[in-house]
Amino acid sequence: AQTVTQSQPEMSVQEAETVTLSCTYDTSESNYYLFWYKQPPSRQMILVIRQEAYKQQNATENRFSVNFQKAAKSFSLKISDSQLGDTAMYFCAFLLEGAQKLVFGQGTRLTINP
Amino acid sequence: EAGVTQSPTHLIKTRGQQATLRCSPISGHTSVYWYQQALGLGLQFLLWYDEGEERNRGNFPPRFSGRQFPNYSSELNVNALELEDSALYLCASSFRDRGPGQPQHFGDGTRLSIL
Repeated sequence: AQTVTQSQPEMSVQEAETVTLSCTYDTSESNYYLFWYKQPPSRQMILVIRQEAYKQQNATENRFSVNFQKAAKSFSLKISDSQLGDTAMYFCAFLLEGAQKLVFGQGTRLTINP
Repeated sequence: EAGVTQSPTHLIKTRGQQATLRCSPISGHTSVYWYQQALGLGLQFLLWYDEGEERNRGNFPPRFSGRQFPNYSSELNVNALELEDSALYLCASSFRDRGPGQPQHFGDGTRLSIL
């Protein structure tokens, strides 16, 4: 079975700083996908970024980028120039090709302070 | 483009009753997923529907069931409600025919409270 671990329950940084959220996963499969989702207090789960395991290049979306280390089974999210609107729960998620069910980590509560 | 819509926003029931939650996917998406987000338990996969068929099921008892309609909307039914069923139920949708690993897009959820 696949598992996802987020070791930082809470983080807090000042606006405009850079912050990195950690995620590790465990699988014996080779074809899978990794995602970061954010869930603001409004509770809607919003897709932040997607990474295909067979691609060595790290995915980026504007201020959001990942550091994907396949051998180490690590998938961290870096938020540059953090903004107040980035305050949310962040979930790392694993999707096994063909299974279609997302396996989520426990989440990291990120607070951006003015 | 409208996102995933769920109704109702909040549902209050008592133990033993039955609850029905509804979900409309993003236009063009044929796959619908249901997840339970319970306090302290995180997000757990419940069900996956595609083209009207149940394709995968998480580790939940049979009193959790659902269906998908010809227009790809979906219902989640929970029978014989128990206190531990209190949770946020999230619906997500995705394409099925555009290659593997399609991202799932979520609705705002239905908060189910069992008294």
